[in-house]
Amino acid sequence: AQTVTQSQPEMSVQEAETVTLSCTYDTSESDYYLFWYKQPPSRQMILVIRQEAYKQQNATENRFSVNFQKAAKSFSLKISDSQLGDAAMYFCAYRSSNTGTASKLTFGTGTRLQVTL
Amino acid sequence: DSGVTQTPKHLITATGQRVTLRCSPRSGDLSVYWYQQSLDQGLQFLIQYYNGEERAKGNILERFSAQQFPDLHSELNLSSLELGDSALYFCASSVAFWGEQYFGPGTRLTVT
Repeated sequence: AQTVTQSQPEMSVQEAETVTLSCTYDTSESDYYLFWYKQPPSRQMILVIRQEAYKQQNATENRFSVNFQKAAKSFSLKISDSQLGDAAMYFCAYRSSNTGTASKLTFGTGTRLQVTL
Repeated sequence: DSGVTQTPKHLITATGQRVTLRCSPRSGDLSVYWYQQSLDQGLQFLIQYYNGEERAKGNILERFSAQQFPDLHSELNLSSLELGDSALYFCASSVAFWGEQYFGPGTRLTVT
């Protein structure tokens, strides 16, 4: 079974600075998807960024980028130019690409990000 | 707004009772997923339906059941409720059996 680990329960960053959230995962599969979801106080789950394991290029979405290290099974999220609206819980998630298995998301325990002035 | 709707937003009920949570997927989406978010267990996958049929089960208790109707909306039934069932229940949908999952706003269940 796949597992996702987020070892930083809380992080803090000053507005306009850069912060990196860590995520490691364990799987025996070679092809899969990785995601970062944001959960603000409203509790809505918002997809921030996704990475396909077969792609070597790291995904980027505006101020959000990932550092995907497949051999190390590491998938970190970098937020540049942090804004107050980035304050939220961030979840790392895994999904298999195997069409014979469930397409469920397996989530980490989350990292709470605080943004200070 | 993801296009996935869930009702009710909040539900308060007593132990031993039964409740039904409703989810309407995005227009055109055939798959519906249910997830539970609790303080103890984090975010957990419960069950997936695709075009009316159950496709995958996760850590869903026997007291819980779900179904997907011909119009593709889904209901999650929780019975013999216990205090530990208090959680946020999310529904998500995707176009096919595979694909991006878009989450609804969730239903917060409080069992007293």
